[in-house]
Amino acid sequence: KQEVTQIPAALSVPEGENLVLNCSFTDSAIYNLQWFRQDPGKGLTSLLLIQSSQREQTSGRLNASLDKSSGRSTLYIAASQPGDSATYLCAVKGNYGQNFVFGPGTRLSVLP
Amino acid sequence: EAGVAQSPRYKIIEKRQSVAFWCNPISGHATLYWYQQILGQGPKLLIQFQNNGVVDDSQLPKDRFSAERLKGVDSTLKIQPAKLEDSAVYLCASSFPTALYGYTFGSGTRLTVV
Repeated sequence: KQEVTQIPAALSVPEGENLVLNCSFTDSAIYNLQWFRQDPGKGLTSLLLIQSSQREQTSGRLNASLDKSSGRSTLYIAASQPGDSATYLCAVKGNYGQNFVFGPGTRLSVLP
Repeated sequence: EAGVAQSPRYKIIEKRQSVAFWCNPISGHATLYWYQQILGQGPKLLIQFQNNGVVDDSQLPKDRFSAERLKGVDSTLKIQPAKLEDSAVYLCASSFPTALYGYTFGSGTRLTVV
């Protein structure tokens, strides 16, 4: 059974810092991995989707990497802004028709 | 393209009452999912539909929760009777069958049971 963990659970940084959020999964037989952002009381907004054959994806100030063999993905946020404050969730879909399994999220606060 | 639509946005009910949530997926997305997200946790799958058939409902508390997707488009999730521990955000998502392009989520319904 796939299990997904995210470290740290919460992170507070000053504006302008570059930061890395971590996602670990136990079963490396994955189909794809998706990073989401969730603002308080809101739904999930997709940030980046990485297919199992890819090593990384980039969108603006965001870069997500995938290392299947070690069961890890990282989300890199460059030059953080207060508007980046939110909870970031990763979700992993297995190769065998399983649904996305979510991590518990990392709550990010970027201080002005 | 229009996103995944959910209603209502908020609902407050007393325990033992019933409640229903509605979801309309992105046009062309055959697969629809209902997730439950308890405060501070990641979303947990309740049920997955492929068109109007159930693919996975292994984590749906069937004694009180039910869901349907009669015409293979929009879907309704019902709780009857509600318990205090059902307080959560209920999220609907949709995708193409293989989820090659990932999931798209709606804004969710925040349920408070008092």
